[in-house]
Amino acid sequence: DAGVIQSPRHEVTEMGQEVTLRCKPISGHDYLFWYRQTMMRGLELLIYFNNNVPIDDSGMPEDRFSAKMPNASFSTLKIQPSEPRDSAVYFCASSFSSGTRGETQYFGPGTRLLVL
Amino acid sequence: KQEVTQIPAALSVPEGENLVLNCSFTDSAIYNLQWFRQDPGKGLTSLLLIQSSQREQTSGRLNASLDKSSGRSTLYIAASQPGDSATYLCAVNSNYQLIWGAGTKLIIKP
Repeated sequence: DAGVIQSPRHEVTEMGQEVTLRCKPISGHDYLFWYRQTMMRGLELLIYFNNNVPIDDSGMPEDRFSAKMPNASFSTLKIQPSEPRDSAVYFCASSFSSGTRGETQYFGPGTRLLVL
Repeated sequence: KQEVTQIPAALSVPEGENLVLNCSFTDSAIYNLQWFRQDPGKGLTSLLLIQSSQREQTSGRLNASLDKSSGRSTLYIAASQPGDSATYLCAVNSNYQLIWGAGTKLIIKP
């Protein structure tokens, strides 16, 4: 398996523009997670899905952020409009089950977003 | 609310030394605890996972321990090598989510 795939790997945009980050989880995994990592706040869980259904989006910073998972092999995280404080590395991870029985999460390489 | 703390924030040691990284958490009601490695500009890779019923896990030169009652875990790295240089993160599986520490940045000097 190719692992978790994220695109784009780097994104530079101007404030106010819409940004869409994409993720393809590992085939067969039923959980998908979106994280954001910054120097100041470390790694934060934004939202996670189980069987394509959003379970907990309490980490989504505000209404400018939205995430979808239309099918088991694809998810998007959208920021509209983007702001400079959204600059961060966004990771997607997937796992088989919730991890309570010992299943680990597998991370993608991340998307480095810079909003000017 | 679960909080995870890692000490030290950074560590630099000569090659060949044995070292210990520390992780503490505030709520002992956890499913498991994991140690991850992050290389610069890369994603995270799981190193070891300890279930709440276990005391330790070993993989090669790495040994992780878990003391749930005191809310502590350690990651022991034996005979450190320059290739071990990375940031090591501890994560606690609590309420079906991973709660993360800020990480320890480790530098192994040749």
